[in-house]
Amino acid sequence: QQQVKQSPQSLIVQKGGIPIINCAYENTAFDYFPWYQQFPGKGPALLIAIRPDVSEKKEGRFTISFNKSAKQFSLHIMDSQPGDSATYFCAAGIYNQGGKLIFGQGTELSVKP
Amino acid sequence: DTAVSQTPKYLVTQMGNDKSIKCEQNLGHDTMYWYKQDSKKFLKIMFSYNNKELIINETVPNRFSPKSPDKAHLNLHINSLELGDSAVYFCASSQRLQPPLGEQFFGPGTRLTVL
Repeated sequence: QQQVKQSPQSLIVQKGGIPIINCAYENTAFDYFPWYQQFPGKGPALLIAIRPDVSEKKEGRFTISFNKSAKQFSLHIMDSQPGDSATYFCAAGIYNQGGKLIFGQGTELSVKP
Repeated sequence: DTAVSQTPKYLVTQMGNDKSIKCEQNLGHDTMYWYKQDSKKFLKIMFSYNNKELIINETVPNRFSPKSPDKAHLNLHINSLELGDSAVYFCASSQRLQPPLGEQFFGPGTRLTVL
């Protein structure tokens, strides 16, 4: 019940394409869903986060779509650029409980020029 | 300028040795974490401290012992290192319940290799 399942494991798109990364969870107590971006040799960095009271959140070229009934959420990257090539992690947590995050398995994104 | 720093960046050691990794944050946060990232990049929380008090302790072998001397520091000591301990260890910090949504800031990681 504590798992967060992320797919695909890897993704290759052309510049300008719209990669979509999907995550699913089981624990209905989760109420905080962040996405982290990690470049090689660096620590993960928060990209965008959502709470389940909204179905979509957009920040720049990054959009989270959230489907509470299906217990799924996804990341869309509009007009993807080679600089977006990184590993993306979804995560889920319970906002008021100590900051514990359960991470998905990660998606390695490669954006070709 | 560094928000969350870790030392050392690389650590190569023999099986059975004891080693420590240090972490410091200058963000004024009250909560700090240790994560382990394995060779498949899977990221798993190990410990969390809030105001020097242990609040999260996942199923981690007793050989791993975190220590928080103050709010800005969280160190990780590992006894009797095993081959399976080889991984990248990340320290992170956050301010509980503070916007944006308790964002966790990660350090650059310490790559531990046990031979």
